[in-house]
Amino acid sequence: KQEVTQIPAALSVPEGENLVLNCSFTDSAIYNLQWFRQDPGKGLTSLLLIQSSQREQTSGRLNASLDKSSGRSTLYIAASQPGDSATYLCAVNSGNTPLVFGKGTRLSVIA
Amino acid sequence: NAGVTQTPKFQVLKTGQSMTLQCAQDMNHNSMYWYRQDPGMGLRLIYYSASEGTTDKGEVPNGYNVSRLNKREFSLRLESAAPSQTSVYFCASSEHRVGAGRAEAFFGQGTRLTVV
Repeated sequence: KQEVTQIPAALSVPEGENLVLNCSFTDSAIYNLQWFRQDPGKGLTSLLLIQSSQREQTSGRLNASLDKSSGRSTLYIAASQPGDSATYLCAVNSGNTPLVFGKGTRLSVIA
Repeated sequence: NAGVTQTPKFQVLKTGQSMTLQCAQDMNHNSMYWYRQDPGMGLRLIYYSASEGTTDKGEVPNGYNVSRLNKREFSLRLESAAPSQTSVYFCASSEHRVGAGRAEAFFGQGTRLTVV
């Protein structure tokens, strides 16, 4: 059974700092890895999707990397802003199976 | 550009009452999903439909039923609500065919359900 772990569970950083969120998964035979953002009381917004054949994806200040063989992904956020404060979720799927989620990292960026 | 639409957004039920959560997507995706989100538990899959006409159980299916009404719509029914079903429910969809490449999942805004 696939299990996804996100460390740390919570993180507080000053504005402007670069930061890394970590995601690990137990079964390396994944099809996709997807990073989401969730604001309090809201739905999930897709940030980045990495297919198993890819090593990284970038969108603006966000960069996600994937090391499938070691079962790890990182989400790098450059020059953090208070508006980046949210919970970040990592999820993976294998073939036709639905996404399996980690419990998220709650990020606070302090002005 | 609606994406995935869920109704209602909020609901309070009494124990034993029934209700149906509605979900519709306008992206012509073949796969749809229902998750619940609870504090400390993360998102857990209730049921999913890989394609129109098929449904499968997820991790926590007990107490729920689903109907894939057509390609656009996937409903979740609570036949006899229990306090343990108090949660936030999310519907999602994706285009998911083996070998088809991108299979990005998109989520609705959620339904906050309280069972008293």
